[in-house]
Amino acid sequence: AQTVTQSQPEMSVQEAETVTLSCTYDTSENNYYLFWYKQPPSRQMILVIRQEAYKQQNATENRFSVNFQKAAKSFSLKISDSQLGDTAMYFCAFMKPGANSKLTFGKGITLSVRP
Amino acid sequence: GAVVSQHPSWVICKSGTSVKIECRSLDFQATTMFWYRQFPKQSLMLMATSNEGSKATYEQGVEKDKFLINHASLTLSTLTVTSAHPEDSSFYICSVTPGVAGQETQYFGPGTRLLVL
Repeated sequence: AQTVTQSQPEMSVQEAETVTLSCTYDTSENNYYLFWYKQPPSRQMILVIRQEAYKQQNATENRFSVNFQKAAKSFSLKISDSQLGDTAMYFCAFMKPGANSKLTFGKGITLSVRP
Repeated sequence: GAVVSQHPSWVICKSGTSVKIECRSLDFQATTMFWYRQFPKQSLMLMATSNEGSKATYEQGVEKDKFLINHASLTLSTLTVTSAHPEDSSFYICSVTPGVAGQETQYFGPGTRLLVL
């Protein structure tokens, strides 16, 4: 079975600064997907970024980028130029390939961006 | 990403009544839909996986007679909480996926807040 660990329950960052959210996972699979989802106070889950394990290049989406270290089973999210709208819970998630594949979520981290 | 709607967004009901929540995939055919439950400040708990035209697969510990799931079309899945009790109060979220290899990303609905009095 897969596990996803987000060990930091809360973080805070000053607006315009950079913050990194940590995530580690455990799996015996060689091919899989990793995701970061954002859940703002509205509670709508929003896909932030997706990484395919067979791709060595780290995924980026505008101000969001990941540091994917497959051997270390680490998948951290870097948010650059933090904005007040980035205040949310962030969930790291793992998925095996397959039509009915389930997401395995971490416990989440609450990020607060200070003005 | 996909557009997913849920209805209703808020529901308050009396103990013992049944509540139906709809999940619609608005811009693609969703072979597979998932239903989650979430308590405040906690992660999402998968309740069941539904595939169009077949019976849902429930996670261990989820009562299938309590939480009825119907996935009658490629764009609609419903979750019915039968004989709801206060402990069923929670935030229910659905997600959809095209169910195609290489496109396994799940897209989430806005959620439904259920309060059972």
